Formats: sequence, structure tokens, C-alpha cells
Amino acid sequence: GDSVTQMEGPVTLSEEAFLTINCTYTATGYPSLFWYVQYPGEGLQLLLKATKADDKGSNKGFEATYRKETTSFHLEKGSVQVSDSAVYFCALRVSGYSTLTFGKGTMLLVSP
Amino acid sequence: EADIYQTPRYLVIGTGKKITLECSQTMGHDKMYWYQQDPGMELHLIHYSYGVNSTEKGDLSSESTVSRIRTEHFPLTLESARPSHTSQYLCASSPGQGAVMANEKLFFGSGTQLSVL
Repeated sequence: GDSVTQMEGPVTLSEEAFLTINCTYTATGYPSLFWYVQYPGEGLQLLLKATKADDKGSNKGFEATYRKETTSFHLEKGSVQVSDSAVYFCALRVSGYSTLTFGKGTMLLVSP
Repeated sequence: EADIYQTPRYLVIGTGKKITLECSQTMGHDKMYWYQQDPGMELHLIHYSYGVNSTEKGDLSSESTVSRIRTEHFPLTLESARPSHTSQYLCASSPGQGAVMANEKLFFGSGTQLSVL
């Protein structure tokens, strides 16, 4: 079946550090890939997405590139802020299936 | 941005009580979902609906039930709550009709944190 594997957290960084959160996937079809973010006390919200190989999703300084050859969708940001502290979920969906398959989430903690 | 609302925000109840978690959206979305989020943050789909009078069980077996009598409303009910039901419950919706498109975005509510004593 489809699955998403994310690096375990928490990831602890100082403000302005470079961020990478690894995400790899397995899928029976040709998936769309997503990063969702959950700020403390809130629901999830879409951060970025990519729908085909080599697409780059970007939003709020975050980027992720759909790599079909390595089945990866790593999340990166050049300079994190305290306000980026949240839980980040990588997810995929194959067209025609209702289920959005989530990874287990990675907590990011950014200190001043 | 999201116009999807969940109530109550927090709920503490005793074992054996019947509870209903409310979820409403004002976006006219046909598809709605319930996810259970465990303390380790992992999300599990427990119910979904493609429209009025449509409900399906998700990937994770759940003792809860849902109904979809109106497009905007998707309540979740536990007939007899137990401590094992303690969790965060997240409601979501997505636009579009018919089969789910791979790139469809989910809109989430803020969740209900349920604690059963």
C-alpha cells in the first residue's frame, strides 16, 4: 500500500538556521505530494504541494521538490524563524483514492 | 482562511457518556472527513463522506459513527465513551464533486481535544 516516511523529531534549531525535513514515499500509482503544517492548538493547513515529477512547491520561504527517481519530497527553508515552530506532515494522494496518506509528523522547535 | 468549525474545542467527560462532536463548513464542499490524531501526532482517517447521505469508514476502525444529513454538517458521535477514545479529533473538507482528484487540498478545522476519564 501507499506510505510516507518522515524523519523523526523533534528537530531543534536556532533562529536563522537552515532546515531540512526528509520525506520519502511509496505509492502504487502516480501521486501528488503535499506538506501540511500544524501550528500549536490549531488544525492542519496546506503549506505547499507538487503534482508531478520535478515540480517544486513553495510557500512562505519553504520549498520541496518532487523527486521521482528517489521517491522523495524533502522540505527545506533557508532561514527559519521562531514562528515556524510547528508540526510538519508530509502526505500523498493517488488520484481516484479518497485517502490522503500522511506521514507521522515532524515537530520543529526554533529557539531565538 | 478555512471556514470550517469544530465544537467544542475541549471536552472532558466520564466513561459511558454519549457525546457528539460537531463539524460545520460554509464553503459548500461535498467531501468531508474525520481524522483521529494520537498523542504521537499521527493522523488516522476514521470516517469520510462524499456528500449528503454518503458515509464511509476510513482506514482506522473506530467505534464512532457519523451522519451527513446536510452538506455543511458532519457530526461524529460516540455512544459510550471510554478512556481509549481520548484523542484529538480533526474534521476536514475538500472541494469538487465526484471522485477525489489527486491534488485536492484539504481544509481542516481546529480540532476537538477529547479526554475521557
